[in-house]
Amino acid sequence: DIVMTQSPDSLAVSLGERATINCKSSQSIFYSSNNKTFLAWYQQRPGQPPKLLIYWASTRESGVPDRFSGSGSGTDFTLTISGLQAEDVAVYFCQQYYNTPYTFGQGTKLEI
Amino acid sequence: QVQLQESGPGLVKPSETLSLTCVVSGGPIRNYYWNWIRESPEKGLEWIGYIFDSGSTNYNPSLKSRVTISIDTSKNQFSLKLHSVTAADTAVYYCARKNTGYAGYFDYWGQGTLVTVSS
Repeated sequence: DIVMTQSPDSLAVSLGERATINCKSSQSIFYSSNNKTFLAWYQQRPGQPPKLLIYWASTRESGVPDRFSGSGSGTDFTLTISGLQAEDVAVYFCQQYYNTPYTFGQGTKLEI
Repeated sequence: QVQLQESGPGLVKPSETLSLTCVVSGGPIRNYYWNWIRESPEKGLEWIGYIFDSGSTNYNPSLKSRVTISIDTSKNQFSLKLHSVTAADTAVYYCARKNTGYAGYFDYWGQGTLVTVSS
């Protein structure tokens, strides 16, 4: 199985500032035949299911504010939230879909 | 807007079978992969498996011996059975949709249902 490891486990960021969450995969999740990276990011607010934010490592899902951005390649990836808002308080997960079983990171709790 | 809704018993006895159903509304069940995912404090988010509208399945090897996922396209629903449960199977169970092809991310999720395994 591909192991996804996020850092940090939690972080506190001031309103309006930038939050950076990292995710590392135990092997490359880049597929050269279609030039795509098989990584997604989700946001989970308390009592809610995860919500898809980003897929293919950097493509924002429809309706997701542009302050959310994804980057990275190979085995190291980053979710950046610019201009943090109160509604961004949540746990954030990365997920690889390079192969099955699909696996998730352990989550990063973002607080104000 | 696609919606998924899980239903089933919230309490299951050890060694028995956990059974859940997910009803899909607001969109087609055909041409998508339908997944079960669970979340617990101990294991975090764990993908259980998926089923395509044809009935083809793919299960997490860690659960494969105990899992059955089935689909009823006429009722726009799919189901999960997890056999011989233990306390370690206590979790919030989600159903979720995955697109076809390489796109293995989950774009729609149900609200989740808590299943507790206890005598």
